[in-house]
Amino acid sequence: SQKIEQNSEALNIQEGKTATLTCNYTNYSPAYLQWYRQDPGRGPVFLLLIRENEKEKRKERLKVTFDTTLKQSLFHITASQPADSATYLCALVNTGGFKTIFGAGTRLFVKA
Amino acid sequence: ETGVTQSPTHLIKTRGQQVTLRCSSQSGHNTVSWYQQALGQGPQFIFQYYREEENGRGNFPPRFSGLQFPNYSSELNVNALELDDSALYLCASSLDRGAYEQYFGPGTRLTVT
Repeated sequence: SQKIEQNSEALNIQEGKTATLTCNYTNYSPAYLQWYRQDPGRGPVFLLLIRENEKEKRKERLKVTFDTTLKQSLFHITASQPADSATYLCALVNTGGFKTIFGAGTRLFVKA
Repeated sequence: ETGVTQSPTHLIKTRGQQVTLRCSSQSGHNTVSWYQQALGQGPQFIFQYYREEENGRGNFPPRFSGLQFPNYSSELNVNALELDDSALYLCASSLDRGAYEQYFGPGTRLTVT
């Protein structure tokens, strides 16, 4: 069955360092991969989308890579800040965009 | 904040009852998707509506049903509530069926006792 795996353990890093989060998937050939941020008690907020034919995407301090051979995406936050502390969700989208599968998310804590 | 609103914010129901949750999509968006999020888990896709028609469905039983109205607002109905239905229910709107950037509402927290 289709499966998305994200680090279940929280990631603790020091302010100013780069946070790297991993998303691995099996039994799926997504057209798109997305990353969302979710704060406690709130809905997810869209951050970045990367297509299957793209290797890398950047937006301000965020960078996403997408390796369809390894079936893996890496999400980087450079120069991290305490305000970046949240849960980050990886999501795969099928062709046609009607079904999105989310991972369980990785909790990030950035210490000042 | 996105322009997506959901009501009510919280709800407590008894097993066997029925519930209706509501969602107003962002202005200009014609597609709404509904998700169920259990504590500590990622959102699970329930179904998507595009221009008032169901456009895809996840692995949820038929007692989960929905509607989309001409103004593109939407309802999620759950019949015969079970304890496991306790979760955060999220709706997300997008510009079009093929647009993959989704804007989520704050969710409705449903507790079934």
